[in-house]
Amino acid sequence: NAGVTQTPKFQVLKTGQSMTLQCAQDMNHNSMYWYRQDPGMGLRLIYYSASEGTTDKGEVPNGYNVSRLNKREFSLRLESAAPSQTSVYFCASSMGSLTGELFFGEGSRLTVL
Amino acid sequence: EDQVTQSPEALRLQEGESSSLNCSYTVSGLRGLFWYRQDPGKGPEFLFTLYSAGEEKEKERLKATLTKKESFLHITAPKPEDSATYLCAARDTGGFKTIFGAGTRLFVKA
Repeated sequence: NAGVTQTPKFQVLKTGQSMTLQCAQDMNHNSMYWYRQDPGMGLRLIYYSASEGTTDKGEVPNGYNVSRLNKREFSLRLESAAPSQTSVYFCASSMGSLTGELFFGEGSRLTVL
Repeated sequence: EDQVTQSPEALRLQEGESSSLNCSYTVSGLRGLFWYRQDPGKGPEFLFTLYSAGEEKEKERLKATLTKKESFLHITAPKPEDSATYLCAARDTGGFKTIFGAGTRLFVKA
C-alpha cells in the first residue's frame, strides 16, 4: 500500500534552473496539496487542488505553479528556482474538505545554490 | 489572522516521566484540530482529530484534549520510541486550508 509517493527525494539546483516535483496517491482521494517545511516554521500551504480539474493558491504560492494531471497526480513546478525556495516539500492528500486528515508523502528535499 | 502556536519548542523527558504538549489556536470557525507525529526525514503521520471543546481521544500512551482556545497532547509514561516531533494543525471553515504549528520536538531518554 504505497499511499502518497513523491519524486525526487533529493534535488540540488542552481539559481534560475527549473524543475518539477511529482506526486501520486493511490487512495482515491479527491483533494491534494503541496506544503513546504522550513526550520522553526510550520508547514505552509503552497497550492491545493480540491478536486480533479481545480487548483487554488495557498499561503505561499509565489514562484510556483501546479498541475492536477488527473485524480491521482499533482505536480509542483519551480520555473526559475531561487535560494529562498530551498526547503523540504511535502505532498499530501485527503478524501475531501469534510474529512480533514491529511496523508503525507515522505518529502522532497530541495537545495537551490 | 489564523494562527497555531505550539509550546514548548522542545521537551526532554526521562522514560516514564509523563508530560503535556500545548497547542494554542486562533482560527475563525474551527473545522477540526489535528495532531500529527513526524519522525526525522519522514512525512507527518496522522494521530488524532478533535472537533469540539471537551472532546478527548486516546491512542496507546497519547491522549489529546480540546478546549475553545487550546489543545493538549498528554503523554503518559513515555518510551524512547515516542521521541519525534509532534505537530498541531487547525482547519478553518473553508475546509481546505490547514494551518500548522511549528511543532514540539520530544526527546525521551531511556
